[in-house]
Amino acid sequence: TQLLEQSPQFLSIQEGENLTVYCNSSSVFSSLQWYRQEPGEGPVLLVTVVTGGEVKKLKRLTFQFGDARKDSSLHITAAQPGDTGLYLCAGGGSGGGADGLTFGKGTHLIIQP
Amino acid sequence: NAGVTQTPKFQVLKTGQSMTLQCAQDMNHNSMYWYRQDPGMGLRLIYYSASEGTTDKGEVPNGYNVSRLNKREFSLRLESAAPSQTSVYFCASNQGLREKLFFGSGTQLSVL
Repeated sequence: TQLLEQSPQFLSIQEGENLTVYCNSSSVFSSLQWYRQEPGEGPVLLVTVVTGGEVKKLKRLTFQFGDARKDSSLHITAAQPGDTGLYLCAGGGSGGGADGLTFGKGTHLIIQP
Repeated sequence: NAGVTQTPKFQVLKTGQSMTLQCAQDMNHNSMYWYRQDPGMGLRLIYYSASEGTTDKGEVPNGYNVSRLNKREFSLRLESAAPSQTSVYFCASNQGLREKLFFGSGTQLSVL
């Protein structure tokens, strides 16, 4: 069974600060998806990375897939209250879960004004 | 576009009661899923349907049954609800395994 460990579990910072959250595994994934979930809603896909070393930017969010495709990070620059939410990573791979995707438990992020 | 629609939004059951959660998608997706989300446990797959006419167990299938009624609809049934099934349930769909998932807005279920 492939496991994805997300850290930190909880993070509360002030508006304007920078932060990084991590998604780590001992297994190789063919792709890595990042989702954001707001209270009372389902997760929404932010980005998919598929190539080792790949970096994708989405406005103030920067996503990186590790060279060995075992880990990923999400960096937020100048965090805004609108960034508050639960961030989930999900790995896809030939040895993944029954549905081909393995989810991490998530990072709860709170950005205080 | 509606995307993935789940009903009901909230439900309270007594132990032993039965109910069916409904899910429909209008994106012509092949695959549909049911997840439960519990504090500290993340998203756990209950059942999935890779294509119309097929269903398979996920990580936590005990106490649940599913029906892929047609390409659009995938229902989840609790035959005899237990307090351990108190959770938030999400339906999701995608074009195929490991593709981008589209989630419904969830059903908050409490079993007393």
